[in-house]
Amino acid sequence: GNSVTQMEGPVTLSEEAFLTINCTYTATGYPSLFWYVQYPGEGLQLLLKATKADDKGSNKGFEATYRKETTSFHLEKGSVQVSDSAVYFCALKKAAGNKLTFGGGTRVLVKP
Amino acid sequence: DAMVIQNPRYQVTQFGKPVTLSCSQTLNHNVMYWYQQKSSQAPKLLFHYYDKDFNNEADTPDNFQSRRPNTSFCFLDIRSPGLGDAAMYLCATNPRAQNQETQYFGPGTRLLVL
Repeated sequence: GNSVTQMEGPVTLSEEAFLTINCTYTATGYPSLFWYVQYPGEGLQLLLKATKADDKGSNKGFEATYRKETTSFHLEKGSVQVSDSAVYFCALKKAAGNKLTFGGGTRVLVKP
Repeated sequence: DAMVIQNPRYQVTQFGKPVTLSCSQTLNHNVMYWYQQKSSQAPKLLFHYYDKDFNNEADTPDNFQSRRPNTSFCFLDIRSPGLGDAAMYLCATNPRAQNQETQYFGPGTRLLVL
């Protein structure tokens, strides 16, 4: 079946540091890949997505590239801010069942 | 702004007392989902509607039911809440059933069972 594995947190960084959160997936065919962010006490917000191999999703300084050869979709940001403190979820979606399959989430804490 | 709305944001109920959570959307999307998210875990899909067609996940307990009276509204009914049902409940929508489309989430309702 489909699955998503992402690095466990928490990840603690200083402001302006470089952030990478690894995400790998297992799926047949060509899923779409997503990163969602969840701020404390809130629902999930779409951060970025990519729908085919070699696509790069980007938003708010975050980027992730759909790598089919390594089945990965790692999230990166060059210079984090305190406001980036949140839980980040990698997810994949296939048409069958219309469901998102989530990774376990990675908590990121950015200190001033 | 078009959005997914969940009310209330916080709900307290008693053990065994039925409770209903509400979700509405102004996006006119065909698909609506209910997820359960326990502390420090990923959201877990309970069921979804494609228009009026109900799709239950195999491991969703019978204690959880849902209704979708029209395109805009979807309800989650917990018939006899147990302590283990305390969680954040997230509603989401999707325009259609294509995998490249984004799911839009509401802010969630946090359920506390006393």
